[in-house]
Amino acid sequence: NAGVTQTPKFRILKIGQSMTLQCTQDMNHNYMYWYRQDPGMGLKLIYYSVGAGITDKGEVPNGYNVSRSTTEDFPLRLELAAPSQTSVYFCASSSAGLAGAKQETQYFGPGTRLLVL
Amino acid sequence: EDQVTQSPEALRLQEGESSSLNCSYTVSGLRGLFWYRQDPGKGPEFLFTLYSAGEEKEKERLKATLTKKESFLHITAPKPEDSATYLCAVQASGTYKYIFGTGTRLKVLA
Repeated sequence: NAGVTQTPKFRILKIGQSMTLQCTQDMNHNYMYWYRQDPGMGLKLIYYSVGAGITDKGEVPNGYNVSRSTTEDFPLRLELAAPSQTSVYFCASSSAGLAGAKQETQYFGPGTRLLVL
Repeated sequence: EDQVTQSPEALRLQEGESSSLNCSYTVSGLRGLFWYRQDPGKGPEFLFTLYSAGEEKEKERLKATLTKKESFLHITAPKPEDSATYLCAVQASGTYKYIFGTGTRLKVLA
């Protein structure tokens, strides 16, 4: 099991450019999440998904879009990048609702560090 | 408004000096409380899930407890490798969204 994988690891964007952060999990989890983490801060939820074709906004969705066409993949799209989107982005998936799961466990990817200049 | 507050923000301990980290929460019905460890430059790593007041979970030198208003992460005889940021998160009833605190940065000195 690779767990949760994210690409790229690091990216520099110019203001106004767009990009897609990729996230894939191989644990057959229905629940997937995107967070951003600013220096010295906790995690802020951007978007989440409870299954293929179903997504919903978190605390800080403005400037971002998501889609979930398969159970495995949950890409995050940044349109018109702004300096305020400079952050570290984490994707996660959860075992919630999974048959045989003794407790809910959230697994995180290694993160994508994004710098917008 | 659902909220999670962690204290202290930072903590320095000598090796072997036991202590506790606090996570207080305000939520409209608790579905679950979660503890994570995060090392610099890495994603959070799951430690514990607690569902109801009175519940306790243990793993090596760590023990998590839960009351109706707060959770404690007790660290017994810590070692330098326990140095990390410890994050607490909650889920409100009826939702699978997580609300995170800002974390406690723990430094254990040899």
